[in-house]
Amino acid sequence: DVKVTQSSRYLVKRTGEKVFLECVQDMDHENMFWYRQDPGLGLRLIYFSYDVKMKEKGDIPEGYSVSREKKERFSLILESASTNQTSMYLCASSFGGQGDQPQHFGDGTRLSIL
Amino acid sequence: GESVGLHLPTLSVQEGDNSIINCAYSNSASDYFIWYKQESGKGPQFIIDIRSNMDKRQGQRVTVLLNKTVKHLSLQIAATQPGDSAVYFCAENTGNQFYFGTGTSLTVIP
Repeated sequence: DVKVTQSSRYLVKRTGEKVFLECVQDMDHENMFWYRQDPGLGLRLIYFSYDVKMKEKGDIPEGYSVSREKKERFSLILESASTNQTSMYLCASSFGGQGDQPQHFGDGTRLSIL
Repeated sequence: GESVGLHLPTLSVQEGDNSIINCAYSNSASDYFIWYKQESGKGPQFIIDIRSNMDKRQGQRVTVLLNKTVKHLSLQIAATQPGDSAVYFCAENTGNQFYFGTGTSLTVIP
């Protein structure tokens, strides 16, 4: 089974802090994704990566950056956390190639910014 | 942007009955669709997928139907069990990006 592991289940940070969310997958997937999930809005794509060192902006990249130094690890960085970034963050991975590959998700990090 | 919606935000069914969860999508160019199940406190779990060259696909107790004419997707769960209680949402793939619906919360009444 695919295993996508997010380093923290719950995280509380303060406004202005730099926050790191880590994600690791063990299936040698080329693609990795970061989403945020908010009530009534569904999953919104923040950033994604098709390969090591590569990154692409999703629909809501403002206030975030990412890092992919190794194939199995994809980090989401909140440069200066704000209260409107309080949310559930989900990491996903999939095989590369065409878009017809399912994304497999971690269990999420519930982030609260005070 | 894409619009992927669900007809009903909540659905309650009796244990043992069949459940039908619906999803409408807006982009006729979408060629791949997935149903996910998300239990409380967990990430979305892949249930079943279907490509646009198919109308129907069956898994274990689940069936996905795709009607491209009206851009409609449905998930049927046979003999619904208490463990099926969760939020279900669909996802459509267009141009290598997925768009997700907001979900239907399924409650199974024992």
